Amino acid sequence: KQEVTQIPAALSVPEGENLVLNCSFTDSAIYNLQWFRQDPGKGLTSLLLIQSSQREQTSGRLNASLDKSSGRSTLYIAASQPGDSATYLCAVTNAGGTSYGKLTFGQGTILTVHP
Amino acid sequence: SAVISQKPSRDICQRGTSLTIQCQVDSQVTMMFWYRQQPGQSLTLIATANQGSEATYESGFVIDKFPISRPNLTFSTLTVSNMSPEDSSIYLCSVIDRVGQPQHFGDGTRLSIL
Repeated sequence: KQEVTQIPAALSVPEGENLVLNCSFTDSAIYNLQWFRQDPGKGLTSLLLIQSSQREQTSGRLNASLDKSSGRSTLYIAASQPGDSATYLCAVTNAGGTSYGKLTFGQGTILTVHP
Repeated sequence: SAVISQKPSRDICQRGTSLTIQCQVDSQVTMMFWYRQQPGQSLTLIATANQGSEATYESGFVIDKFPISRPNLTFSTLTVSNMSPEDSSIYLCSVIDRVGQPQHFGDGTRLSIL
């Protein structure tokens, strides 16, 4: 059974810092990995999708890397801003059969960026 | 990406009643899913909504408790039946436009059972 772990559970940083969020998964046979953010009282916003054949994806100040063989992904946020404050969720889709699209989520990292 | 609308956005219900949640997408999508997010927890997949046939449920979720319909490629409903306080959660609809594309979520339905 796939298990996804995110470290740290919470992170508080001053504005302007570069930061890294970590995600690990137990079964390396994945189809893809997706990073989301969730604002309080809101649904999920997709940030980056990394296919299993890819090593990284970038969008603006966000960069996500994937090391499938070791079961790890990192989300790098450059020059953090108070608007980045949210819960960041990592989720994987297992490869094979009827698993496509079925996301297994980590518990999330609660990020607070203070001015 | 597809625009997803969920209704209602929130509700407070009495124990023993049922509530149907609607998920409407502004374009045809390949796949639709329903997730639950219990208070302070991450998301758990309830089922895959299959167009024109019975949904595929994950372990721990059954059709009698969470009947799902998907009559076409843009619409699905989830019913939470015979509700108890333990069903108080956020219920989220998600879609994949096409294979290989990101999964997108609606804003969720916040359900409280008294």
